Amino acid sequence: GAGVSQSPRYKVAKRGQDVALRCDPISGHVSLFWYQQALGQGPEFLTYFQNEAQLDKSGLPSDRFFAERPEGSVSTLKIQRTQQEDSAVYLCASSLEQGRTEAFFGQGTRLTVV
Amino acid sequence: QKEVEQDPGPLSVPEGAIVSLNCTYSNSAFQYFMWYRQYSRKGPELLMYTYSSGNKEDGRFTAQVDKSSKYISLFIRDSQPSDSATYLCAPGYSSASKIIFGSGTRLSIRP
Repeated sequence: GAGVSQSPRYKVAKRGQDVALRCDPISGHVSLFWYQQALGQGPEFLTYFQNEAQLDKSGLPSDRFFAERPEGSVSTLKIQRTQQEDSAVYLCASSLEQGRTEAFFGQGTRLTVV
Repeated sequence: QKEVEQDPGPLSVPEGAIVSLNCTYSNSAFQYFMWYRQYSRKGPELLMYTYSSGNKEDGRFTAQVDKSSKYISLFIRDSQPSDSATYLCAPGYSSASKIIFGSGTRLSIRP
């Protein structure tokens, strides 16, 4: 596709359930980012990949959050034992080159933990 | 103190007005300055991108950066209802990877 694709668009999880969120970046894009956006707030950085290497995971809020990009393309953000405070929109972005901050965002996955 | 401060609004102006959106930041290491626009239930889209201090104009939009005062502005001329969205300022580092977003200003243009 032409843009960054995220799935599912919406996810409702019971508290304590594990979830996996998928991101398909723009073909050929080296850098991939995950952000968390709470209602009424700007996106908060979670983690960054350059190809398959996770170079920065300083924004992951706890060890329940895990991200991978094993072949340098598709990425998965996994949240274990979800809690209500995990409810947010999870945004994925990709950019063509290392260090380029012109990132293109997907539409996000809206996670609601009940 | 947050790295980027942005007035959340909401800001409501009549069609045709000039809009001024502003951010301040605290980290002098920022060298790239971006404005993203985010429509409801959509991901952010890049609107303007500048490097270093100065002005950059693109159609009805002008981005202004003053690194000495750590102040970022976006001006919208002849505002249109289709400009109604949340505007996010986003400074970035030169060699590192992550973009830091402001909290966003919700803008509404009244027809």
